[in-house]
Amino acid sequence: DQQVKQNSPSLSVQEGRISILNCDYTNSMFDYFLWYKKYPAEGPTFLISISSIKDKNEDGRFTVFLNKSAKHLSLHIVPSQPGDSAVYFCAAGEIIQGAQKLVFGQGTRLTINP
Amino acid sequence: KAGVTQTPRYLIKTRGQQVTLSCSPISGHRSVSWYQQTPGQGLQFLFEYFSETQRNKGNFPGRFSGRQFSNSRSEMNVSTLELGDSALYLCASRGGTLNTEAFFGQGTRLTVV
Repeated sequence: DQQVKQNSPSLSVQEGRISILNCDYTNSMFDYFLWYKKYPAEGPTFLISISSIKDKNEDGRFTVFLNKSAKHLSLHIVPSQPGDSAVYFCAAGEIIQGAQKLVFGQGTRLTINP
Repeated sequence: KAGVTQTPRYLIKTRGQQVTLSCSPISGHRSVSWYQQTPGQGLQFLFEYFSETQRNKGNFPGRFSGRQFSNSRSEMNVSTLELGDSALYLCASRGGTLNTEAFFGQGTRLTVV
């Protein structure tokens, strides 16, 4: 039972254009969502997060949108740069009595073409 | 501020052996979580420790265990290794029980032969 899904295994975008990465979830109890960027053989790097009570959060070139009714979130990267080429994971989290568990999607490989 | 440090980076073990992985969280962080990444299953939660107590556990067999020390450093142990335990093991730290952002280390690549 995959609670967090990233349905696009890969995405190719021209440098300078907008990259949109999507994520769907099934558990309405998730409290917050995070996006991570990952290079091969390295740990995920935290990018941006959003609480379930918000619908948008912005940090520089990165914006995350949350649509709770559709159980859908997306990460927008504008403008896309070659260094953005990596695998992007969305993660959903709950904090219950202080304990956290993150559930990750399978990842989307983003390639930025010059 | 130093990030999350995991040692060793790479490890090769034989089936049936046991292994211990180490994680030092970001200074001041008291929560440490462990995740397993494999090509087939993706990133999966193993367990979380806070103040030397296991607070949450994923769906892994009892061969996977961990502990946390008073300085917040954590170790993960896998006994009776199986070929399927070959994976990238990632440790993440967060500041406290109310902090949501988890920061990951570089991981330990375990290969079981």
